[in-house]
Amino acid sequence: DIQMTQSPSSLSASVGDRVTITCQASQDISNYLNWYQQKPGKAPKLLIYDASNLETGVPSRFSGSGSGTDFTFTISSLQPEDIATYYCQQYDNLPSYTFGQGTKLEIK
Amino acid sequence: QLQLQESGPGLVKPSETLSLTCTVSGGSISSSSYYWGWIRQPPGKGLEWIGSIYYSGSTYYNPSLKSRVTISVDTSKNQFSLKLSSVTAADTAVYYCARIMITFGEADYWGQGTLVTVSS
Repeated sequence: DIQMTQSPSSLSASVGDRVTITCQASQDISNYLNWYQQKPGKAPKLLIYDASNLETGVPSRFSGSGSGTDFTFTISSLQPEDIATYYCQQYDNLPSYTFGQGTKLEIK
Repeated sequence: QLQLQESGPGLVKPSETLSLTCTVSGGSISSSSYYWGWIRQPPGKGLEWIGSIYYSGSTYYNPSLKSRVTISVDTSKNQFSLKLSSVTAADTAVYYCARIMITFGEADYWGQGTLVTVSS
C-alpha cells in the first residue's frame, strides 16, 4: 500500500504569512495528488487536484506543486478564513485512495 | 447543483452491521466519469477511504476493511449504499459519501456526513 506522510501535523502562522505543507508518498505516484480543506464540523472541500490544478472557485492564494513522491501545498497570504485542517490524498493505485494524516492550521 | 445526502441509523450495537445509504440528487449516478465513494472520520482523527463503486457495480475496497465491507448501487433510485459488518467501537465515525472523479481521483462533491456511534 502507498503511504502518505504529511507534515507538519500542526502549524501556527500569522495573517498574511506564507504557509507551506508537504506531503511525501512512499512510492512514485506521478501527479496523482489532491489537497482538501476541512473546517470543523464540515465535510472536506477539494482545493487542488492533479497536484497543481486549482478547483473552480478556489482563491488563487492556494497552490500546489510537485510530482513523483514529493508534493507541496502553499497558501501565499494566510487569511483568517483559512483556519482549517488540510489533507493530501493520493490516487495512483486505481481506484484506491490514501489520505495524509492532516495538518491543523491555526492563527498565531 | 449536485447534492449527496447520507442516511441511516446513528447508533449501531457492537457485532451488528452498519448500513448507510447515499442519495444523489441534481445529477445521475450512472455517469461514466465518476466513482461513488465512502470515506469515514473517527472523532478527532483523520480521513479514511472505505471503498468506491462504479455505476456498473464494480467495487473497490480498502484492504484493511475489505472483509467487512459491501458497497452496492441502485441506479434506479440514484443511490449507493454501504454495509459494514461486525462493527466495534473503533468503527464509530462520521461517514461521508462523495463523488470521485475518475481522472485524478478527486472527491469534488461530498455529503454533509453522518455520525454513526457503535455502542450497546
